[in-house]
Amino acid sequence: TQLLEQSPQFLSIQEGENLTVYCNSSSVFSSLQWYRQEPGEGPVLLVTVVTGGEVKKLKRLTFQFGDARKDSSLHITAAQPGDTGLYLCAGDNNDMRFGAGTRLTVKP
Amino acid sequence: DAGITQSPRHKVTETGTPVTLRCHQTENHRYMYWYRQDPGHGLRLIHYSYGVKDTDKGEVSDGYSVSRSKTEDFLLTLESATSSQTSVYFCATSRGRGEKLFFGSGTQLSVL
Repeated sequence: TQLLEQSPQFLSIQEGENLTVYCNSSSVFSSLQWYRQEPGEGPVLLVTVVTGGEVKKLKRLTFQFGDARKDSSLHITAAQPGDTGLYLCAGDNNDMRFGAGTRLTVKP
Repeated sequence: DAGITQSPRHKVTETGTPVTLRCHQTENHRYMYWYRQDPGHGLRLIHYSYGVKDTDKGEVSDGYSVSRSKTEDFLLTLESATSSQTSVYFCATSRGRGEKLFFGSGTQLSVL
């Protein structure tokens, strides 16, 4: 059982659509990070959220940390093909643990 | 970004043989990690280090050992490789606990 559960596992949408992916846990985290990974490469950090209820925006991406610091969401507005990739959340629980990821495909 | 080099990038070996993967960083980061990535499991932590000669187990440490004799190098050893250890292995570093992770490009290991 993963410490962090991500949903959906796979998501395929058309360019221009909006989407939300989720990262849930029964554990409380001091911080939570979101990464994006492209084929053949290591993950790259998108954002770190630290405070319960925090919302961070990165262009068309909006990240939210749950009030209880157990869950997070990533919302993408007007998705583009360049958003295609594996989105991973990671929580600081004395060490850094990752969820299994959401594999997003944005079709032109 | 941090300079993280993993070697080798690809390796094919036979069951029962020892294998060592190397991670080298040039950024003087205190923390170093070894993860494996398998379909459906995401990244799973094998071992990590919080300083020279200071290491701890992660969630899938059985069958693996690590060593860190210098700040810049973190070695992962499979004493007797098994087919279940076929995976992509990633090394990562961070300045401190809970901080941004910088990843290497990965090592594709196949155990036949």
